[in-house]
Amino acid sequence: DTGVSQDPRHKITKRGQNVTFRCDPISEHNRLYWYRQTLGQGPEFLTYFQNEAQLEKSRLLSDRFSAERPKGSFSTLEIQRTEQGDSAMYLCASSASGGYEKLFFGSGTQLSVL
Amino acid sequence: AQRVTQPEKLLSVFKGAPVELKCNYSYSGSPELFWYVQYSRQRLQLLLRHISRESIKGFTADLNKGETSFHLKKPFAQEEDSAMYYCALQGAGGTSYGKLTFGQGTILTVHP
Repeated sequence: DTGVSQDPRHKITKRGQNVTFRCDPISEHNRLYWYRQTLGQGPEFLTYFQNEAQLEKSRLLSDRFSAERPKGSFSTLEIQRTEQGDSAMYLCASSASGGYEKLFFGSGTQLSVL
Repeated sequence: AQRVTQPEKLLSVFKGAPVELKCNYSYSGSPELFWYVQYSRQRLQLLLRHISRESIKGFTADLNKGETSFHLKKPFAQEEDSAMYYCALQGAGGTSYGKLTFGQGTILTVHP
């Protein structure tokens, strides 16, 4: 499968623990996005990278959230001191370039914070 | 602030009937609009985008700037159209590329 891959598919953690998700974009895509989706809502933009540079972060991304994309390839999203409100589907997407290119989404990581 | 509203959470039609999924947006400039679809157990994927003026799987969508709407239409629904549909908006300007504002989604069910 040459699409966007995310790992793990599911993560259950206890409140206060740290979690890290990984996203591998389509190899030739230089833009990578993170979105979050809660039950009954559409995806919400969190942050995006152009190659290794993180160009924008949403106000939704509190100080407990950090994302990296070293060497402009895969990306990680870390949540520190998780809270129950962090429970959501975390989606990664990539695109070939700017403009109105379509986003290719991964299958997501479902996070449950107990 | 930009906002996308899909007023119907659920929409049911019979096979062969016309279908229209409503989408209204709020944006001060000239946005770009998209429809994304998620079939059962599949990833979210682009269905169509306004800028391409395309018709995919028989679906079309017309941007009505006066009514700030981007409704998705298909004259004859098929059972395989059953899915979750999201309308999404992208603001103008280079910094907005890929930053989509999604509506809450509409679950379309096409009955045989």
